[in-house]
Amino acid sequence: GAVVSQHPSRVICKSGTSVKIECRSLDFQATTMFWYRQFPKKSLMLMATSNEGSKATYEQGVEKDKFLINHASLTLSTLTVTSAHPEDSSFYICSARGAGGNYGYTFGSGTRLTVV
Amino acid sequence: QKEVEQDPGPLSVPEGAIVSLNCTYSNSAFQYFMWYRQYSRKGPELLMYTYSSGNKEDGRFTAQVDKSSKYISLFIRDSQPSDSATYLCAMSSTNAGGTSYGKLTFGQGTILTVHP
Repeated sequence: GAVVSQHPSRVICKSGTSVKIECRSLDFQATTMFWYRQFPKKSLMLMATSNEGSKATYEQGVEKDKFLINHASLTLSTLTVTSAHPEDSSFYICSARGAGGNYGYTFGSGTRLTVV
Repeated sequence: QKEVEQDPGPLSVPEGAIVSLNCTYSNSAFQYFMWYRQYSRKGPELLMYTYSSGNKEDGRFTAQVDKSSKYISLFIRDSQPSDSATYLCAMSSTNAGGTSYGKLTFGQGTILTVHP
């Protein structure tokens, strides 16, 4: 079945630094990638949607200059949290959808970001 | 009013019980309905998806959609301790081509514990 690999699974960084999270579709071409943020015991909050080769579409309230999304190829999307602060600490999850209408929206395993 | 409402629980049942999880929604454009299971600190994994109204069964899991009532359910028969997780309902609208449009709207998740 469709597999999405997300790395790193856990990262701790200092306040003010930037962190990059990668999301790769291993056995299908991901025309669309979604990036979510999840707080403890809360649901997934969509941050942005990116289509390969296009600029990402950000949800209302999400700072596009802080959360940089790149989707340069059909198998790789990255989320960079720039100038991270403790309030950016969260669980970030990517999801990929293939061109064939994969209703399943395969999810990555998530990245636990802690900013100290 | 949230687009998707899901009772967060927590729900605790004995092993072997039948579990009923539910979501209501307000957006009549939703056509694709999914249930995801999420273990702690992991990404969601797809359990079931259904299109429009009706029932779908897969092993111990049965998904029901009642579009007239804007109500969806997931039933788990013969529940096992390994079913202990957070269950998220998710929905999306459809485009003219009939494939799932893209953005998923999630319920807030129900925490389920099945005790031996």
